[in-house]
Amino acid sequence: GENVEQHPSTLSVQEGDSAVIKCTYSDSASNYFPWYKQELGKGPQLIIDIRSNVGEKKDQRIAVTLNKTAKHFSLHITETQPEDSAVYFCAASKAATSGTYKYIFGTGTRLKVLA
Amino acid sequence: NAGVTQTPKFQVLKTGQSMTLQCAQDMNHEYMSWYRQDPGMGLRLIHYSVGAGITDQGEVPNGYNVSRSTTEDFPLRLLSAAPSQTSVYFCASSAGGAYNEQFFGPGTRLTVL
Repeated sequence: GENVEQHPSTLSVQEGDSAVIKCTYSDSASNYFPWYKQELGKGPQLIIDIRSNVGEKKDQRIAVTLNKTAKHFSLHITETQPEDSAVYFCAASKAATSGTYKYIFGTGTRLKVLA
Repeated sequence: NAGVTQTPKFQVLKTGQSMTLQCAQDMNHEYMSWYRQDPGMGLRLIHYSVGAGITDQGEVPNGYNVSRSTTEDFPLRLLSAAPSQTSVYFCASSAGGAYNEQFFGPGTRLTVL
């Protein structure tokens, strides 16, 4: 079945360093790849997304890259700050034959930014 | 706007009991979904709906029922709770179309004894 693998499961970086989280998806028909940030005790919140017709997207300190051939995409956070500490989830989505669509999430990465 | 609201925030059930987790959104979103979150398992899709009267199964639908009688509400029913259903449950909604942001509720923490 459809699957999204996410690595690493935990990541610790020093404040100011960069963090990279990687995901691999199984279904080549997937065409939308969002990233969500979940703070303690809250629901996930979208931070950036990318469509399959784009190879890279950037929003201030956050960027996402997509390699459709290899079926993997990555989240890059530069100049990390303590408030970046959270759990990050990648997801892949595609339109189903019925016209509906559904998201498959990765297993999450707990990022700790050390002051 | 209140966004996506979920009730209750916490619930403890005994094995075999039934209950309904409530989810409502005030953004007139067509798409609503239910996820469960377990340690090391990420977010797994239980059921989803692309509009009133239309529902479909996700990755882990067994033991759960849903219905969508209105655009605003998407309740999740556990007919006979089992310890394996101990989890945190999130409801989410988004505007129609595959490329729209999903807005998540605050979650319901369910414990089944």
